[in-house]
Amino acid sequence: RKEVEQDPGPFNVPEGATVAFNCTYSNSASQSFFWYRQDCRKEPKLLMSVYSSGNEDGRFTAQLNRASQYISLLIRDSKLSDSATYLCVVRDSSNTGKLIFGQGTTLQVKP
Amino acid sequence: EPEVTQTPSHQVTQMGQEVILRCVPISNHLYFYWYRQILGQKVEFLVSFYNNEISEKSEIFDDQFSVERPDGSNFTLKIRSTKLEDSAMYFCASSDLGRTDSTEAFFGQGTRLTVV
Repeated sequence: RKEVEQDPGPFNVPEGATVAFNCTYSNSASQSFFWYRQDCRKEPKLLMSVYSSGNEDGRFTAQLNRASQYISLLIRDSKLSDSATYLCVVRDSSNTGKLIFGQGTTLQVKP
Repeated sequence: EPEVTQTPSHQVTQMGQEVILRCVPISNHLYFYWYRQILGQKVEFLVSFYNNEISEKSEIFDDQFSVERPDGSNFTLKIRSTKLEDSAMYFCASSDLGRTDSTEAFFGQGTRLTVV
């Protein structure tokens, strides 16, 4: 089983749509969870951390279900500028801070 | 805003040659990392570095790879004898894990290594 698994997509949605991405992770001892955004041939950039209580940042909502080892990201009112690859990232349970990346889900928002 | 800087942005090298990829992490960070991303694939962990020594390395990080922090600011990745399959984007990252468990890792813009 992959350590962090995502549906690669692509997700093609019209502007204004709501889109949801899911991710599962295999190590139940993982401590921290993140969504990063990666534009083509650029570095990953933190979109938001994910907490068990769920957290929201503007149009973006992230949820964590530790029992199911499942992470989600919801994007409301999609903008053209949201087009990117969204990376589900888990911080390893070791104390080195190593990050384990999913393969990413590609989102294309169309006018 | 502080940032991680990497040089060069693109390096072309012949197979068998040595390359050194350079990074300047954020100045008050203590944890440093190298990751790589082969075109079309996921970002993969190579090595973590703390307190002037390697704290963890992946299976990818074999004897042809080494890291060094030669002075107080630079963090380098050396590939001794490059192979075609080393062609990838190499990302340096740094973080200050001591603050919270959700502390962000900041990534540099990457060095695109092309081995020919």
